[in-house]
Amino acid sequence: QLQLQESGPGLVKPSETLSLTCTVSGDSISSSSYYWGWFRQPPGKGLEWIGNIFYSGSTYYNPSLKTRLTISVDTSNNQFSLKLSSVTAADTSVYFCSRARLQYLEWGIWGQGTMVTVSS
Amino acid sequence: QSALTQPASVSGSPGQSITISCTGTSSDIGTHNYVSWYQQHPGKAPKLIIYNVSYRPSGFSSRFSGSKSGNTASLTISGLQAEDEADYYCSSYTGFSPQWVFGGGTKLTVV
Repeated sequence: QLQLQESGPGLVKPSETLSLTCTVSGDSISSSSYYWGWFRQPPGKGLEWIGNIFYSGSTYYNPSLKTRLTISVDTSNNQFSLKLSSVTAADTSVYFCSRARLQYLEWGIWGQGTMVTVSS
Repeated sequence: QSALTQPASVSGSPGQSITISCTGTSSDIGTHNYVSWYQQHPGKAPKLIIYNVSYRPSGFSSRFSGSKSGNTASLTISGLQAEDEADYYCSSYTGFSPQWVFGGGTKLTVV
């Protein structure tokens, strides 16, 4: 059964870089049938698409975050990662990783999410 | 401000039916059938309940149905149950940047 698990620091200082990893188990991240994506949800607010990556390394970023964002894939460890630089309190959110099928472009499998707080 | 517009809240009684609307533009919902709906209970991850406008994931309740007309998608929940109380989000693929957009979410209360 496919599972996604986010990991990374729960507290990041302002102006530093937020780094998260999503570990995929139960399927290969190297499949050509899926996108692997990141989302976030500020406390009490709605969902925001951050960006996604294909196994080949092709990336698609939310233009509102593009200048600070890097998403990468590590096929050898079946993981993909998120780096968001120069963070501020506005980046405080629950961060989710997810998988979409290319055929339907729906985010059908989600990790449980990880809370990241930006504070000094 | 979210790219897709949903009502902030809806309510219904057990056994009743409710419909949540999701209004976009001709660049997202109006162009693509890649419209999805997600259910989110407090403190939990979103759960896909409808994809491709009206398809249900395998094993998911037939009480949930989706449709689309023009730039507006709709989620209908029939036979409301207490466990349906949650936040519901619509989403659409756009084909350009940003690739995916969401609605602001609708809080369903089963009274």
